[in-house]
Amino acid sequence: EDKVVQSPLSLVVHEGDTVTLNCSYEVTNFRSLLWYKQEKKAPTFLFMLTSSGIEKKSGRLSSILDKKELFSILNITATQTGDSAVYLCAVEIQGAQKLVFGQGTRLTINP
Amino acid sequence: SAVISQKPSRDICQRGTSLTIQCQVDSQVTMMFWYRQQPGQSLTLIATANQGSEATYESGFVIDKFPISRPNLTFSTLTVSNMSPEDSSIYLCSVDSGQGFNGYTFGSGTRLTVV
Repeated sequence: EDKVVQSPLSLVVHEGDTVTLNCSYEVTNFRSLLWYKQEKKAPTFLFMLTSSGIEKKSGRLSSILDKKELFSILNITATQTGDSAVYLCAVEIQGAQKLVFGQGTRLTINP
Repeated sequence: SAVISQKPSRDICQRGTSLTIQCQVDSQVTMMFWYRQQPGQSLTLIATANQGSEATYESGFVIDKFPISRPNLTFSTLTVSNMSPEDSSIYLCSVDSGQGFNGYTFGSGTRLTVV
């Protein structure tokens, strides 16, 4: 059974801190790994990773994939209260165009 | 990337009734996906809808409970039938963003409460 596991499930930090969110996976046929931010209902796309060791960066957010060890991390530096959200990791299954989601990490940034 | 209009945004329904959720996409897409997010849980794929063919349902989801229509390449509906409180969830539609693939785009979601 395809599985995506995120850790921690919940994280509370102070504004300005740096956080690292983890995502590990076991799937039958990997195509890509995606990170999303969910603030209310609709997840918004952050990154798509397909190759190992290549960091994707967008402002204070960055992410990298390790296809040998089957995990990815999402880093957020200099956190702001607006970063408070649930961060979702999903793996796309090759051939099925299907996303398998992890449980999400609820990140709370306190001022 | 594609823009999806999903409605209703939220609804409170009586048990035993049905609710139809609509998603309209601003461009033609081959496949549309319907997800459910139960309270405190992550997203689970209900079914994949192709235009002109029957939807493909994931394990644990059946057509009688979640009938789907896909009349054209820009529109789909999901019906939640004979609702019970366990159906209280956020329901989301999604499409491939296209244009070199920048992830999947999600609709704004429907928050359903069954009382």
